[in-house]
Order: sequence, then structure tokens, then C-alpha cells
Amino acid sequence: DAMVIQNPRYQVTQFGKPVTLSCSQTLNHNVMYWYQQKSSQAPKLLFHYYDKDFNNEADTPDNFQSRRPNTSFCFLDIRSPGLGDAAMYLCATSRRGTGYEQYFGPGTRLTVT
Amino acid sequence: DAKTTQPNSMESNEEEPVHLPCNHSTISGTDYIHWYRQLPSQGPEYVIHGLTSNVNNRMASLAIAEDRKSSTLILHRATLRDAAVYYCILRGGYNTDKLIFGTGTRLQVFP
Repeated sequence: DAMVIQNPRYQVTQFGKPVTLSCSQTLNHNVMYWYQQKSSQAPKLLFHYYDKDFNNEADTPDNFQSRRPNTSFCFLDIRSPGLGDAAMYLCATSRRGTGYEQYFGPGTRLTVT
Repeated sequence: DAKTTQPNSMESNEEEPVHLPCNHSTISGTDYIHWYRQLPSQGPEYVIHGLTSNVNNRMASLAIAEDRKSSTLILHRATLRDAAVYYCILRGGYNTDKLIFGTGTRLQVFP
């Protein structure tokens, strides 16, 4: 019954080594989101897709990129991870509109060594 | 973005009702009030949302002030599993697709 799936759940990468986190959904929602959540902080929206339209938040670093090859899948690429990028990365999906809820995945915890 | 203000933390005893307040004095007419919660080591989960009228679902009730400048999430009987951070979020306008999380209220539930 998993609806928003994130792989892997835990990822360790080295400083500067590119890493990709993946998210898939079985809900057929047209909006997909990536959030970054650092320890003891609220989730922070990085970007979202409405279908294939990409919407970047103004303060999202260029180091973070995303791809959405189809409705079901979305990827977060961190081109050169720094120690400050260690965080939980959350994927979420939604139907478009203010009245619809977002469904979150369990998150991928990224460690940068 | 319209802002929300919530207490940093609240406490409750198990099986007691909990009223979690949220102030949103700059809310616009098209903003929905959403509540999410995040249990330890999990992604956030939807709790409830409303526009003008009070709302009930299996998890909670949402009471919205007549002027819509504040709302209250009501857990009718708190359980240990309800210990979480609760976020009150306004969603609407050009932010139709977004949830912008504030700091939330950390709820502790004691046996």
C-alpha cells in the first residue's frame, strides 16, 4: 500500500561526490515536491513540479537539481555535496489545488563524510 | 507569504483533550488552513484542513474563528502516539501548490 516511496532510506556520500535520491509515487498525482529538513528544523521546500513544469524556490542553492522523467518518478541530484547538506530529504506529492493534501514519503537521511 | 504563529511547545496527559492554537492574522480570503503533524523519524502527515467552517475528521477537529485570523486544532483524546510536531500552514493564492512550514508546536503527551 506504499504511496510515496523514497530510496534509499539512508545514504552516505563523500564531500563533493555527486549523489542522487529517488522518489516514486503510486497516487498518480501531478505535483511532486522535494523538501530538505535539517535537525530540529521544519521542512524547507527546495522545488516542486507541476507535471513537467519545474518551480525552483528562490533560495535553493544551484547545487541542488531535480528531474522528473514521468508522472511517477522524481529525482533529487546534489552535484557537490557539502557537510551542510547533511539532512533528511523528503519527497511529497499532491493533486493541484489549495484544498488538497500532500502525501509525504518516509524520507532519505543523507550523511556527508 | 501569509504567516502563522504557534506556541513552541505544549504538554498534555493521555486521554485528555488538546487544543493547539494558531494565529494567522494576515490570512487572505482564498487561503486554506492546513494542519500537518510529524511524528519522530517520519515524514509529515496530513491532519485536517478548512476554509471557513469548522471541520471534523477521524483524527481531529479544526475550529476556525469567525474572522479567520486564528484557528485551533483539537485532539479529543490525546494518546502517546499523538506526540509530534504540529504545523499550521496557510495554503492559497499564488502559493497554491506549496506548503511553507513554520516552526510548529511540539506536543508532549504524558501517560
